[in-house]
Amino acid sequence: KAGVTQTPRYLIKTRGQQVTLSCSPISGHRSVSWYQQTPGQGLQFLFEYFSETQRNKGNFPGRFSGRQFSNSRSEMNVSTLELGDSALYLCASRGEASYEQYFGPGTRLTVT
Amino acid sequence: AQKVTQAQTEISVVEKEDVTLDCVYETRDTTYYLFWYKQPPSGELVFLIRRNSFDEQNEISGRYSWNFQKSTSSFNFTITASQVVDSAVYFCALSEPNRDDKIIFGKGTRLHILP
Repeated sequence: KAGVTQTPRYLIKTRGQQVTLSCSPISGHRSVSWYQQTPGQGLQFLFEYFSETQRNKGNFPGRFSGRQFSNSRSEMNVSTLELGDSALYLCASRGEASYEQYFGPGTRLTVT
Repeated sequence: AQKVTQAQTEISVVEKEDVTLDCVYETRDTTYYLFWYKQPPSGELVFLIRRNSFDEQNEISGRYSWNFQKSTSSFNFTITASQVVDSAVYFCALSEPNRDDKIIFGKGTRLHILP
């Protein structure tokens, strides 16, 4: 079974731009969560999608948004990028009635 | 409120030594899950173990063992006979399925195994 995949793996953007990151969960998994990892703040929960609906949301500004498609693939969008948005963005999927989240390799975003 | 504390920011041990990574958690719920994840230099988080709040049995998996003590709200992780490949950042995490079910991570412990 293929694992969680994330594209792109690396991204460089400039302040003010917007970015879209993609995540494909493990086949059969309907829950997709997104996390931001920075040296200062550690791993912080962004949001979780289940069956195309946002089920949970972390404490991030509205510039961070996401969506999930009918095939469970998810995208995360960050608008008006700031330098502080530079981070590793990790996506995780899990199956129903399962509490193990399986993570993708992440997208490393650098904002200059 | 949910909180996970990993007081050890960084640990270095010589190969073959045993090492214990500490994790202390806070929760108001009686039903919760605890996790350990490993993050090697490649960046991908690797799931190691999940433990629910009703199961205080310690667990051993090869060189890895976990000690869950509700009385002290701790879920410590021990690596026996450490190897260089164990070098990574280790995260302890908590989720409350009856609340919002999101996973809250500790800040992580960076483990260096020296040859």
